[in-house]
Amino acid sequence: DTAVSQTPKYLVTQMGNDKSIKCEQNLGHDTMYWYKQDSKKFLKIMFSYNNKELIINETVPNRFSPKSPDKAHLNLHINSLELGDSAVYFCASSQDARDQYFGPGTRLTVL
Amino acid sequence: QKEVEQNSGPLSVPEGAIASLNCTYSDRGSQSFFWYRQYSGKSPELIMSIYSNGDKEDGRFTAQLNKASQYVSLLIRDSQPSDSATYLCAVNMKAGNTPLVFGKGTRLSVIA
Repeated sequence: DTAVSQTPKYLVTQMGNDKSIKCEQNLGHDTMYWYKQDSKKFLKIMFSYNNKELIINETVPNRFSPKSPDKAHLNLHINSLELGDSAVYFCASSQDARDQYFGPGTRLTVL
Repeated sequence: QKEVEQNSGPLSVPEGAIASLNCTYSDRGSQSFFWYRQYSGKSPELIMSIYSNGDKEDGRFTAQLNKASQYVSLLIRDSQPSDSATYLCAVNMKAGNTPLVFGKGTRLSVIA
């Protein structure tokens, strides 16, 4: 069984479009995260969401908006996509500040 | 700026040798420490976590933590070509469910 899953795996789109990435975890964890890994492979937190409390990373443009319909799901919506948004986006989850488990990633390419 | 520093490598070791990966962190109040392995094109995979000073062993892997020196390391014994990957050090700098701060990773190459 997949613990943390993401869809789609690949996303190719034009500049200016709006797109969403979905994440689901079946681990029963209470916290979920979105990370961005750029072309230099640097992995950086974007958002974390714990029991309906959203922690926003101030370096993230407001074109990015996370949405959590329930504890097992955390989606990422991106408006007005830019070339610099091209990256791999990873969802992760954890429980009680312990180990974080990552999804398989979504490779976003903006043309 | 809270940072986690790693040597980017590549670190090359012969098969069967011990690979030593190092990491330093800037926030003295950091609570928990993790090593992730990432193969090219794949997601980070948790291999070790450590929370208190000293050594923690799991199979061929040993994590070492020295909070006074703000230093955490990973030793891989009997290195195998399948260990070739990028190893990411990650630090939880506050208590609670807070995001990890990652280093830029060290690329390890185990040569057969």
